[in-house]
Amino acid sequence: DAGVIQSPRHEVTEMGQEVTLRCKPISGHDYLFWYRQTMMRGLELLIYFNNNVPIDDSGMPEDRFSAKMPNASFSTLKIQPSEPRDSAVYFCASAPGTGYEQYFGPGTRLTVT
Amino acid sequence: DQQVKQNSPSLSVQEGRISILNCDYTNSMFDYFLWYKKYPAEGPTFLISISSIKDKNEDGRFTVFLNKSAKHLSLHIVPSQPGDSAVYFCAASEMSGSRLTFGEGTQLTVNP
Repeated sequence: DAGVIQSPRHEVTEMGQEVTLRCKPISGHDYLFWYRQTMMRGLELLIYFNNNVPIDDSGMPEDRFSAKMPNASFSTLKIQPSEPRDSAVYFCASAPGTGYEQYFGPGTRLTVT
Repeated sequence: DQQVKQNSPSLSVQEGRISILNCDYTNSMFDYFLWYKKYPAEGPTFLISISSIKDKNEDGRFTVFLNKSAKHLSLHIVPSQPGDSAVYFCAASEMSGSRLTFGEGTQLTVNP
């Protein structure tokens, strides 16, 4: 199994631009999670899905952030417009039916200048 | 409100000795606890977990201890190896399929 796949691995963009991060979860996993890691706030959950349905988006910082999961094998996290304070490493993770043990992707390092 | 805390940002041990990483939590609703290991430029990888109905879980060189009355868990690595050098995150969950709350992480360095 290839594990959780994220793209791109690195993204550098200018303030105000739209950014789309992509994730392919492990096949057969029912849960998908988006996290953000920063020095100040550590690893924080943004949103998670169960069977493609958003369950908890209380961690999404503001309306500039949106996430979708159109099918079981693909999810996107979009930031529009991006700001310098969005610079962070964004992780996608998936989990099987129990949902406890999450498997993380390699992350996308986003830099907004 | 930091519900999961790892008070030691770093720990350095000699190869072959025991590494003990600590984690405290405040939410009594947490019923499942996990440890993740993270290398630079990689995502966290699951290491070991424990349910609140147990007080110990062992997997090879790794053992996790849970003290519910003290709301404290620890990860023991013995013997420590240089390849164990990484950031270790403690995480907790209230129920299956819900959010994980992570601690700040502890950088473990195992010196040859």
